[in-house]
Amino acid sequence: SQELEQSPQSLIVQEGKNLTINCTSSKTLYGLYWYKQKYGEGLIFLMMLQKGGEEKSHEKITAKLDEKKQQSSLHITASQPSHAGIYLCGADIGSGNTGKLIFGQGTTLQVKP
Amino acid sequence: GAGVSQSPSNKVTEKGKDVELRCDPISGHTALYWYRQSLGQGLEFLIYFQGNSAPDKSGLPSDRFSAERTGGSVSTLTIQRTQQEDSAVYLCASSLRTGNYGYTFGSGTRLTVV
Repeated sequence: SQELEQSPQSLIVQEGKNLTINCTSSKTLYGLYWYKQKYGEGLIFLMMLQKGGEEKSHEKITAKLDEKKQQSSLHITASQPSHAGIYLCGADIGSGNTGKLIFGQGTTLQVKP
Repeated sequence: GAGVSQSPSNKVTEKGKDVELRCDPISGHTALYWYRQSLGQGLEFLIYFQGNSAPDKSGLPSDRFSAERTGGSVSTLTIQRTQQEDSAVYLCASSLRTGNYGYTFGSGTRLTVV
C-alpha cells in the first residue's frame, strides 16, 4: 500500500468553485510538502508545512497540516484554469529527518472554464 | 545556476543500450536527489547525495542503475542495458541541505526505451 495516499486521484471542477485535496500518511510526518506539476514539466514548489496545526497560504491556495491525524489538506478557493495540473504531496516519513521525500500518487485537477 | 538543469530533456534509446542522464543542481546546494516518475505514477525515490557522505542508494531498482556526483556538484545517473520498463521521466532535485528544506526540481529527462 502507498505510504502517502492522496485523494481524490482526479478532480474536475467548474471555474470559480472551491476544492480540497487530501494527503494522508501511514507514518509519522517530519515535514509535508506540496508541489504542482504541469504535463511535461518539473515540479513547482508550493508550500512546506512543518508543525502540527500549521497553515500557509499562497494566493488562492491554502495548505494545513494535522500532525495528529498525519494528514494535510490543500484547498483552492475560486479555482481558475491556471490551477489545472497535478498536485503532489511529499513527506519525510520516519527516515530520520533526512530530507528524503516520499511522494503520493498525485491528484490531477482539471478546471473547466 | 538559477535553477536545476537536466539534460537531455528527451532521450529515445534502443533496448539494451546504456544511457547517461545529467543533473546540474543549484549552486551551493549540497543535497541532490534523483526520482523516477512513470506514466500515471507518483515519484519513486532512487538515490540521494549529501555533501561528501556515502549516497543513499536504497531506491535504485536494480544493479543496472548507478549514479555519481563529481565534486559535490554535477550528478550523472547511468542506466545500463536499458529495458522498456525503464521508460519514465527522471527528475533531479537539489536542496540547501538535508532536513526540512524545500527541494527545487529540474524539468526532468523523458526516457523512452524502444
